[in-house]
Amino acid sequence: GAVVSQHPSWVICKSGTSVKIECRSLDFQATTMFWYRQFPKQSLMLMATSNEGSKATYEQGVEKDKFLINHASLTLSTLTVTSAHPEDSSFYICSARDDRQGYQPQHFGDGTRLSIL
Amino acid sequence: RKEVEQDPGPFNVPEGATVAFNCTYSNSASQSFFWYRQDCRKEPKLLMSVYSSGNEDGRFTAQLNRASQYISLLIRDSKLSDSATYLCVVSDQTDSWGKLQFGAGTQVVVTP
Repeated sequence: GAVVSQHPSWVICKSGTSVKIECRSLDFQATTMFWYRQFPKQSLMLMATSNEGSKATYEQGVEKDKFLINHASLTLSTLTVTSAHPEDSSFYICSARDDRQGYQPQHFGDGTRLSIL
Repeated sequence: RKEVEQDPGPFNVPEGATVAFNCTYSNSASQSFFWYRQDCRKEPKLLMSVYSSGNEDGRFTAQLNRASQYISLLIRDSKLSDSATYLCVVSDQTDSWGKLQFGAGTQVVVTP
């Protein structure tokens, strides 16, 4: 099946640091990528949706200047958490989909656990 | 009100027993329904799609009730490996991106 890889899987940083998370589709081309965040015992919350080569669309309440998303190629999207603070500590998950052949399921990455001290 | 609501559990189930739980959704325009499984500190993995007529995949049976806006999942002959959090996921597909709405999950613990 389709594989989506995230890197790093775990990050611990000091407050104020910017952190970049990569999401790669390994065996298919991802026309659309999604970034989610999940706090403990809560549901996955969609942060933003991006199409390759265009600006991401952010969900209400998600600061686009705080969470920078780049989807520069059909196999790579990055999420940069700028000037991260302890409240940004969460489980960040990406998913990817190839929309060129009709509606397709999203394939999830293995997630990045971000801890800000 | 949350768009997708689930009983958080935990449902403690003896090995070999049957367990069932529901999920309700608020958007009547929802068109696609899924059950995902999420193990602790891992990404969600698609367990099965849910079709209008109900569908079965091995020991797992999913049902959809559009009138009452709920989805159910039944697990027969529970295995220890079925212990996980089961996420109810709904999509309205009103935009071409088909955004998914996740429930917070129902925890199932299968005991020996």
